[in-house]
Amino acid sequence: GDSVTQMEGPVTLSEEAFLTINCTYTATGYPSLFWYVQYPGEGLQLLLKATKADDKGSNKGFEATYRKETTSFHLEKGSVQVSDSAVYFCALRHSGNTPLVFGKGTRLSVIA
Amino acid sequence: DVKVTQSSRYLVKRTGEKVFLECVQDMDHENMFWYRQDPGLGLRLIYFSYDVKMKEKGDIPEGYSVSREKKERFSLILESASTNQTSMYLCASSDGVSPLHFGNGTRLTVT
Repeated sequence: GDSVTQMEGPVTLSEEAFLTINCTYTATGYPSLFWYVQYPGEGLQLLLKATKADDKGSNKGFEATYRKETTSFHLEKGSVQVSDSAVYFCALRHSGNTPLVFGKGTRLSVIA
Repeated sequence: DVKVTQSSRYLVKRTGEKVFLECVQDMDHENMFWYRQDPGLGLRLIYFSYDVKMKEKGDIPEGYSVSREKKERFSLILESASTNQTSMYLCASSDGVSPLHFGNGTRLTVT
């Protein structure tokens, strides 16, 4: 079946550092890929998405590129802020009506 | 903006109790989902529903059931709560085109 593997956390960075959270997937066909973020005490929010190969999703300074050849969707941000401290989930979905398959999440802590 | 509302943020129940977790969405979405979130395990799908009175088992349905009598409401039922069901429960909805919209979660403790 489909699966998503993302790097284990926690990840601790200083403010303004460069962030990469790795995500790879196993799936047939061409799923859509997502990054969700969960701030403390809240539910998950969509951060960005990509629906086909070579698409780049971006939002709030975060970016991720859908790489079919490496089955990856790594999340990057050039300069993190304390307010980016959260848990980040990579996920895939085959079609609009199918459930999301999530990775296990990566906790990011940014210190001033 | 889509709003997905879960009726309780925190819930404490005793072993053996029947527990109802309620979820309501206000955007007329066909699809609704229940996940549980545990440290180190991420989100795991319990049940989902594509329409009123329809339900599909997810990856970990054992010990749970669901009810969808109205389009906007999707209830998760723990028939006889056990301590291993202590977890964060997240409800989500989608119209099949947009990404999932999540509620804020219900943290259930079973003692």
